[in-house]
Amino acid sequence: GQQLNQSPQSMFIQEGEDVSMNCTSSSIFNTWLWYKQDPGEGPVLLIALYKAGELTSNGRLTAQFGITRKDSFLNISASIPSDVGIYFCAGHPVYYDMRFGAGTRLTVKP
Amino acid sequence: EAQVTQNPRYLITVTGKKLTVTCSQNMNHEYMSWYRQDPGLGLRQIYYSMNVEVTDKGDVPEGYKVSRKEKRNFPLILESPSPNQTSLYFCASSSTGDLFFGEGSRLTVL
Repeated sequence: GQQLNQSPQSMFIQEGEDVSMNCTSSSIFNTWLWYKQDPGEGPVLLIALYKAGELTSNGRLTAQFGITRKDSFLNISASIPSDVGIYFCAGHPVYYDMRFGAGTRLTVKP
Repeated sequence: EAQVTQNPRYLITVTGKKLTVTCSQNMNHEYMSWYRQDPGLGLRQIYYSMNVEVTDKGDVPEGYKVSRKEKRNFPLILESPSPNQTSLYFCASSSTGDLFFGEGSRLTVL
């Protein structure tokens, strides 16, 4: 399936800083998902969004389903060293047509 | 514990030697799929299955086969592996659009 536009590609931040990343699609989606992937491991689902405008939190993570249904963002507050990894978005107009962003590589300096 | 289990996790093989990567999920999901992940290319779908005995090609199906004889299992078959199939492979399953991934199988074809 067509890839999503995810930005930024990488981020280098200091421990304690907040982080924001986003994804956009050229078509309308019914679901947005955010994953974290550690090197050599499988992606782990962080947050799932199902409705336009929905804002969902998971600990220090907050994600929103854009009103246009063509975008989503993920925020991480007060970053810690274990937040290091690759975060990527996924979404679909229908569940069997999943599309993925290329990922944001996050580095957190202690 | 809900999970998607892949085996083997690591495999080194030689060109032309048939191999199978198994995938099993315990969540009673109807939808299962296989992806490969390569540096700079992100996740690309190989095959997917919407239910038992129903499979369809994804974006990069060449050189791969799948079968879905039982709901929980979705093996990926490489009849005659070639070096360009060296990659990190992920199996995933879903019921409502939340895609859950296995831990990955790193395959090297010499």
